[in-house]
Parts: sequence; C-alpha cells; structure tokens
Amino acid sequence: QSVLTQPPSASGTPGQRVTISCSGSSSNIGSNTVNWYQQLPGTAPKLLIYSNNQRPSGVPDRFSGSKSGTSASLAISGLQSEDEADYYCAAWDDSLNAFYVFGTGTKVTVL
Amino acid sequence: EVQLVQSGAEVKKPGESLKISCKGSGYSFTSYWIGWVRQMPGKGLEWMGIIYPGDSDTRYSPSFQGQVTISADKSISTAYLQWSSLKASDTAMYYCARLGYYDFWSADYWGQGTLVTVSS
Repeated sequence: QSVLTQPPSASGTPGQRVTISCSGSSSNIGSNTVNWYQQLPGTAPKLLIYSNNQRPSGVPDRFSGSKSGTSASLAISGLQSEDEADYYCAAWDDSLNAFYVFGTGTKVTVL
Repeated sequence: EVQLVQSGAEVKKPGESLKISCKGSGYSFTSYWIGWVRQMPGKGLEWMGIIYPGDSDTRYSPSFQGQVTISADKSISTAYLQWSSLKASDTAMYYCARLGYYDFWSADYWGQGTLVTVSS
C-alpha cells in the first residue's frame, strides 16, 4: 500500500468542480513537491501538474494543483466527459525505503 | 516529435528470462533520465527505477532492487528492463517514461506500454 493516500473514487456532473485529495506525511508531501497524473482507460499516464501547481504546456487551465502541509489536492473545474479517468498524485518519500512513489489513485466518474 | 516506443507484448513461463525495450527519438536521449513504471492488472502505478542513459547511472526502488535490472544502450537510444527468472506475479503492464524536462520527477513523455504475461 502506498504512503500517499487518495480517495478511491470521486464523481461529478458535467460543468461541476471536483477535488481529489492526496494525504501524506512529513517525509513525502511535507518536504517535497507533488506531481499529478491522469490515466485515461487503456492508455499510458499523462503529466497534469508538476511542482505542486504548475501545468505543463497543453494542459487545460481547468486542472489546478495545490499543496498545504502534508496534503495536496487536484481540482478539476468545468468537469467534462473526457475527464473520466484515474488520477494519481506522486512525490518523493524520504523514509527508510526512500524512493519516488505514486498515490493510491482516484477514479473520477462523470455522471 | 518526442517519442518513446516500447517493444511488443510478451507471454512467458515462470522461470524464464525476459528483456523489454524502450526506444527514444526526437530528443537528446542521453540528456534525460528514463524511468520504468509497473501497473499490475486492475491496480495502481509503481515506480520501479530510473536510468540516466548518458552514463548509465541507475537507481532502483527498494521494492524492486534485486528483482529487475535496468540498463541502456545510448548508441541506439534504447533503455531496457529485464528479468532473469520471471514469476507469475510479474504479470503486468510496464511503461517507460522520460523524466526531468519540467522538474526531476516529472514524466512528460510515456511509452505505449508493454504487457508481460507470465503463466505456466
């Protein structure tokens, strides 16, 4: 089980705002930056957010990231049907078995 | 155009060896780290390890240290992931990704994935 915990699922109707949390500790989110990835069904992951709140070129501004203390969040505003996917946070973990880790993942469903 | 193209799906028996590949193009292959990610059926993503093709500096996740070997041949812009003795639990999709364009661990380009099935 990952050291970064996400809710298994989230949902919303088209146009709504959905927020996904990523809970960690002082050894990961509390001391390192967070990236977020989107994985559409049957495809490779895609980088959505890097360095807590930066969007790579080409990522719509409907996607935004934030971090506070040992938690991070991804917000999707103006939810669209094509946003239905799995979302993963990721951060370096400084614990005994130090390495980069993904969160447990959140399945977003557009109702 | 940056591309990472992975080798095709594999079906192997337990105990067999395997080496899968990830060929980069459209950028300086020796200037960016390449990472490998495992996704077991119906499960989440796991970082396995990374390699810097410029000098073959390699780092492994403790969870995968000793279980796999990551290597690269910069002359043909290709990274590899290999097993010496496969287990049924190695059945998974494996992705390679380019790291470091935005920040060190930002994987901005991904291969299409290689499905490895290990079954007797």
